[in-house]
Amino acid sequence: EAQVTQNPRYLITVTGKKLTVTCSQNMNHEYMSWYRQDPGLGLRQIYYSMNVEVTDKGDVPEGYKVSRKEKRNFPLILESPSPNQTSLYFCASSLSRQGEGYEQYFGPGTRLTVT
Amino acid sequence: SQKIEQNSEALNIQEGKTATLTCNYTNYSPAYLQWYRQDPGRGPVFLLLIRENEKEKRKERLKVTFDTTLKQSLFHITASQPADSATYLCALDDYKLSFGAGTTVTVRA
Repeated sequence: EAQVTQNPRYLITVTGKKLTVTCSQNMNHEYMSWYRQDPGLGLRQIYYSMNVEVTDKGDVPEGYKVSRKEKRNFPLILESPSPNQTSLYFCASSLSRQGEGYEQYFGPGTRLTVT
Repeated sequence: SQKIEQNSEALNIQEGKTATLTCNYTNYSPAYLQWYRQDPGRGPVFLLLIRENEKEKRKERLKVTFDTTLKQSLFHITASQPADSATYLCALDDYKLSFGAGTTVTVRA
């Protein structure tokens, strides 16, 4: 089954404690991205990757890091989480880059709470 | 950057009626416009895509229109069912994908 998986699904942590949210897709997609979703603000892109070892900032990259060492995996790293990073996070993948009419496949989401 | 506005209020409709959702944007028209469905606590799921040179697209009970003059897309759910209750997101697909905040639809039996 074609899918995007994320782990963990729920995470409660404390300010400053480094964490990683994993994302994996089994569709051999080139393009992967991370979004955060906050009430009333919609989905905002954090980082994206056009292919292995190619990553770039989205609209709200501050406080986040990513890496793309393998085509299928795109982990999101919070080096020093702060309460304003409490949000619902989604990983997504598509065949190719945005702007070419490719649908996005989203993961199930990770609800992160930073206290 | 684009400002995207979807119906500000939630939509409550009776089963069998047509739900009409709006998506307005402010700047240049994107090459494509996409619509997604999102259920509570789950990731968005792709529904339909319409190109800037297409006026209308249909898929089963769903219909999307795209008016680049008005800078607006309309999303219709005909013969609505309680199972259609969800939040619907529009997304402008240009050099990047920009999402609206969504409209929550509740269909009453």
